[in-house]
Amino acid sequence: IAGITQAPTSQILAAGRRMTLRCTQDMRHNAMYWYRQDLGLGLRLIHYSNTAGTTGKGEVPDGYSVSRANTDDFPLTLASAVPSQTSVYFCASSESGDKGSPLHFGNGTRLTVT
Amino acid sequence: GQNIDQPTEMTATEGAIVQINCTYQTSGFNGLFWYQQHAGEAPTFLSYNVLDGLEEKGRFSSFLSRSKGYSYLLLKELQMKDSASYLCAVRDSNYQLIWGAGTKLIIKP
Repeated sequence: IAGITQAPTSQILAAGRRMTLRCTQDMRHNAMYWYRQDLGLGLRLIHYSNTAGTTGKGEVPDGYSVSRANTDDFPLTLASAVPSQTSVYFCASSESGDKGSPLHFGNGTRLTVT
Repeated sequence: GQNIDQPTEMTATEGAIVQINCTYQTSGFNGLFWYQQHAGEAPTFLSYNVLDGLEEKGRFSSFLSRSKGYSYLLLKELQMKDSASYLCAVRDSNYQLIWGAGTKLIIKP
């Protein structure tokens, strides 16, 4: 079944540790995104990529980095985790970044930083 | 700043109709999306409006008024499975999506 796969599903991480959240899509979508979702807040964009080889910063990029070596994969790295990065992380993709192109979401990664 | 406002929570009865409102103030407008998100799951796409008026899709309809910065999602013949959060999102002039915090809809028998 075509879609977006995120791994791991959940993780408990000690503060200061490095962590990479994986995201793979098989829909050949050009654009990919990383969001975090916290209770009472809207989805907040961390980083995005409009096409393979390019990335951009979203609303809350500090403490996170991404790479887009190919169309399918868009990993998110926390270089040194802090408790405020406890959240649910969603990877998403869209055919393009244009007006009507809806986002398709992965099932999310629940991250707890202790 | 950019802002999307939705009610935090609404309650409705199975079989009834409910309207979830969304008002927005963004730098530019390139379309408005509605998503459904069940607890513990990923958001799923419901509708897209870029021109004023009503878009109907089965039991769900979405309305847009660009001059008023206003949209609503109308759910008819409510079913228990419609209990979820409904997210409103607007694409701004930079084609970035600005998200509301979501409206939690509780359906009672």
